[in-house]
Amino acid sequence: GNSVTQMEGPVTLSEEAFLTINCTYTATGYPSLFWYVQYPGEGLQLLLKATKADDKGSNKGFEATYRKETTSFHLEKGSVQVSDSAVYFCALSLQSSYKLIFGSGTRLLVRP
Amino acid sequence: DAGVTQSPTHLIKTRGQHVTLRCSPISGHKSVSWYQQVLGQGPQFIFQYYEKEERGRGNFPDRFSARQFPNYSSELNVNALLLGDSALYLCASSAASSVQETQYFGPGTRLLVL
Repeated sequence: GNSVTQMEGPVTLSEEAFLTINCTYTATGYPSLFWYVQYPGEGLQLLLKATKADDKGSNKGFEATYRKETTSFHLEKGSVQVSDSAVYFCALSLQSSYKLIFGSGTRLLVRP
Repeated sequence: DAGVTQSPTHLIKTRGQHVTLRCSPISGHKSVSWYQQVLGQGPQFIFQYYEKEERGRGNFPDRFSARQFPNYSSELNVNALLLGDSALYLCASSAASSVQETQYFGPGTRLLVL
């Protein structure tokens, strides 16, 4: 079936460190891929998206590239801040469906 | 502009009761989707409505139902509540029913079933 697998957290980094959160997917057809972020006590916010292979989504210093050959959409940021501490969700949607399929989330904790 | 709003923010119910959760989409958005997020997990799709019609349903029992009103707001109803229904219920709106449209999420309703 269609699914998303994320690296388990928590991921703990010092401020200004480099961030990678791995995400791989299994899907029939050609999915769109998303990263959402959830700050404590809040709903989900769209961070970035990519709709076709080799597309790069970017926002607020975060980037992710849609890699069809490795079925991956890893999230990266060159220098994290304390304010980036949150839970990050990778998700996909299929053209044949109306739903988002989410991974289990990765908690990021950035220490000063 | 106001984002997606949900009410109530928190709710406590007992087993066997029923609950109604409400969602108002972003102005101009005609599609509303509902998700259940159990603690420590990713959101799971429950329903999508577009122009008052159900367009998709996830793997949830018939105790879960929803509807969309002419002003595009939506209600999610859950009957015969179980302890396992305790979760954060998220509503998302988008401009159209296409899966290419970005879904914008509300802050959620946190339901606790005792």
